Amino acid sequence: AQSVTQLDSQVPVFEEAPVELRCNYSSSVSVYLFWYVQYPNQGLQLLLKYLSGSTLVESINGFEAEFNKSQTSFHLRKPSVHISDTAEYFCAVSVSNAGGTSYGKLTFGQGTILTVHP
Amino acid sequence: DAGVIQSPRHEVTEMGQEVTLRCKPISGHDYLFWYRQTMMRGLELLIYFNNNVPIDDSGMPEDRFSAKMPNASFSTLKIQPSEPRDSAVYFCASSPHPGGPGTDTQYFGPGTRLTVL
Repeated sequence: AQSVTQLDSQVPVFEEAPVELRCNYSSSVSVYLFWYVQYPNQGLQLLLKYLSGSTLVESINGFEAEFNKSQTSFHLRKPSVHISDTAEYFCAVSVSNAGGTSYGKLTFGQGTILTVHP
Repeated sequence: DAGVIQSPRHEVTEMGQEVTLRCKPISGHDYLFWYRQTMMRGLELLIYFNNNVPIDDSGMPEDRFSAKMPNASFSTLKIQPSEPRDSAVYFCASSPHPGGPGTDTQYFGPGTRLTVL
């Protein structure tokens, strides 16, 4: 079975500083990888996802994540954060079979609370 | 589209009472998921449906929990009897079919915050 580990439960940073939220996964089969963001009192929203192709994926609001198969990691980065980025971030993995058809389930990490201070 | 709709948004009940949470997925989505979020356990998948059929209910904590999807536009999660440890935020999410939900985005509802006294 697959699992996801988010190494930091809380990450405080100052505005305009860079940030990295770490995510490692374990799985014996091919995976698809996701980052979701949850703002206070809201549901989760997809931030970005890796399915195949380029190992570097980007979101529309400046976040990027790189799939590293050898290190089984999918860390999320942003070169300069804003106050509005304060939220909880979840890394997730879904399992695909050899044919690339997903089994449909997402396994989530425990979440990382990013707090951006002025 | 209005997105995934959940009701009620907040529910406060007493131990032993029956609780029913409702979800309307995005029209045209083939998959529907129920999650539970708590501080202690994080986000847990309870059950998911494909074309109204339950596919995996291994996350349902115990027999007090049951979920149904009578048609493509409605699902319920029922807890009977409820207990204080069921207090959590329950999310419903839906996903379109092409490529399977592992490749497509899961769209989450706003959640139902359940408090069992």
